[in-house]
Amino acid sequence: AQSVAQPEDQVNVAEGNPLTVKCTYSVSGNPYLFWYVQYPNRGLQFLLKYITGDNLVKGSYGFEAEFNKSQTSFHLKKPSALVSDSALYFCAVRPPGGATNKLIFGTGTLLAVQP
Amino acid sequence: GAGVSQSPRYKVAKRGQDVALRCDPISGHVSLFWYQQALGQGPEFLTYFQNEAQLDKSGLPSDRFFAERPEGSVSTLKIQRTQQEDSAVYLCASSFGTVSSYEQYFGPGTRLTVT
Repeated sequence: AQSVAQPEDQVNVAEGNPLTVKCTYSVSGNPYLFWYVQYPNRGLQFLLKYITGDNLVKGSYGFEAEFNKSQTSFHLKKPSALVSDSALYFCAVRPPGGATNKLIFGTGTLLAVQP
Repeated sequence: GAGVSQSPRYKVAKRGQDVALRCDPISGHVSLFWYQQALGQGPEFLTYFQNEAQLDKSGLPSDRFFAERPEGSVSTLKIQRTQQEDSAVYLCASSFGTVSSYEQYFGPGTRLTVT
């Protein structure tokens, strides 16, 4: 079955330190990969995506993600965390093929940045 | 510019009532998606429209759920005879084209509580 795993329910990091939010996927073929962020009472906001090409992709608000095909991972990173980065982060995958462009989401990781 | 809007933002229904949830996608976006997000979970796909055509409804949990997009713009998700397990946030998303690499833009969601 196609799935996305976010192994950490919560990640705690001090402001100014680097952060990593982990994501692995189980999808055959070459999927498209996405990261979204969700603030309280708001919809999901697109951060970045990997389609093809360079394994390191850069996105909004200083975030970046590294695609690793051999490890089927797409971890979200930021060199220096801000308190305002505290939110719920979702990894999503668009499996290849098929008539629909639906996304399969992970269960989310709550990022808490302490001042 | 205007993003995806959804109404109502909150809906309380008594078990057995019918509800209708509205989504206004970004103007010009061809693709429209509905997702269901249960508490503490990631969004789960319900259905997909390309213009007015419903191309995938594989995620609709039962025949009590019905979605339409008659003019290829505004969409309505209808739930008949609501049950407590229908309580969730219903998210609408739209994307510019039909190519699967396009990111989806999400609305703020409608929180449905069935009592």
